[in-house]
Amino acid sequence: GESVGLHLPTLSVQEGDNSIINCAYSNSASDYFIWYKQESGKGPQFIIDIRSNMDKRQGQRVTVLLNKTVKHLSLQIAATQPGDSAVYFCAVLNTGNQFYFGTGTSLTVIP
Amino acid sequence: KAGVTQTPRYLIKTRGQQVTLSCSPISGHRSVSWYQQTPGQGLQFLFEYFSETQRNKGNFPGRFSGRQFSNSRSEMNVSTLELGDSALYLCASSLDPVYPQHFGDGTRLSIL
Repeated sequence: GESVGLHLPTLSVQEGDNSIINCAYSNSASDYFIWYKQESGKGPQFIIDIRSNMDKRQGQRVTVLLNKTVKHLSLQIAATQPGDSAVYFCAVLNTGNQFYFGTGTSLTVIP
Repeated sequence: KAGVTQTPRYLIKTRGQQVTLSCSPISGHRSVSWYQQTPGQGLQFLFEYFSETQRNKGNFPGRFSGRQFSNSRSEMNVSTLELGDSALYLCASSLDPVYPQHFGDGTRLSIL
């Protein structure tokens, strides 16, 4: 199986600061990871993904870091904006081709 | 390109009834997965269909079932509804499970 946990259920940051959201997983054989953003009343929205043959991937204002040694995943959001306020989930694909989701970190951006 | 469409958006049922939820995936996506989202449990995997075949099933009772049609549209059925089935039911589609899943906005099911 797989268990996925996020380190902080809530996170508050000042507008313009960088945000870091963390996720830990249990199965060292997991090889595909996704970060999602969920706004109130909507389904999770794909942000960025990374496969286990990489340790870093960058998108627009977002960076995902993967540390397979300690089974840790993080999402960095640069210059956080009010529109970034949402719940963020990591999803981990296990060897049975099933995604396991973390419980989510609620990010609040303070103007 | 249209996203994943789930209908209806909201449903109110009473205990003992049954319900059918519908999901239309992104065009070209053959994998459809269903999840239950509750505040206490987060996103829990229900099942995944690919080319009309159930390939994966989560740890839910047999009251939860699904199917997929030849056009990749999927339905999920819950029979003998219980109060604990109140949740947001999310559908996600992808080319294949090892590709990013794209979610619909869900069906909010409330059991009275």
